Amino acid sequence: DAGVIQSPRHEVTEMGQEVTLRCKPISGHDYLFWYRQTMMRGLELLIYFNNNVPIDDSGMPEDRFSAKMPNASFSTLKIQPSEPRDSAVYFCASSDRGQETQYFGPGTRLLVL
Amino acid sequence: AQTVTQSQPEMSVQEAETVTLSCTYDTSESNYYLFWYKQPPSRQMILVIRQEAYKQQNATENRFSVNFQKAAKSFSLKISDSQLGDTAMYFCAFMKPDLGTGFQKLVFGTGTRLLVSP
Repeated sequence: DAGVIQSPRHEVTEMGQEVTLRCKPISGHDYLFWYRQTMMRGLELLIYFNNNVPIDDSGMPEDRFSAKMPNASFSTLKIQPSEPRDSAVYFCASSDRGQETQYFGPGTRLLVL
Repeated sequence: AQTVTQSQPEMSVQEAETVTLSCTYDTSESNYYLFWYKQPPSRQMILVIRQEAYKQQNATENRFSVNFQKAAKSFSLKISDSQLGDTAMYFCAFMKPDLGTGFQKLVFGTGTRLLVSP
């Protein structure tokens, strides 16, 4: 059974460009989470979805960040315009309500120059 | 708000030895879950072990076991027969399931970097 899939694995872009990160959760999981990991702040929850609906986006740093989940098998996290301080590893995770355990994807390492 | 504290930023151990990583947490809840995640240099977050607070028995997964002390709010990870592949960052995490919203927010500690040497 495939785990959480994220793409791209690495992204290098220039300041001001739009960046789109993609995630495919584990089939059957109804929760999807986006995290950001930096040296300074550690792991932070940005937003989470339940049954494709955004429930809590209080962790989203600012309006430049947006996330969507158009269906149960796909989610995107978009940064527009990107800034150097957005450089981080972005993780997607999914879980099932009855499981309590979150399974993480391999992460996308973003570098904004 | 719940907090998770890992007081050991770095630890070293030799291959085949046993090492214990510490974790304490603060909560007023009685029902919750605790996790240890491993993050090797590849950056992948890998679940190592989980513990349900209502279970008195300590969880075990092969060479990994926990010492869960609910009253002391302590959740340490013991790695037996350490292997080179255990070199990684280890994160302790707390989760309180919300029966209303089903929200399963993970609160992470700052991590302990473990180096296993030959």
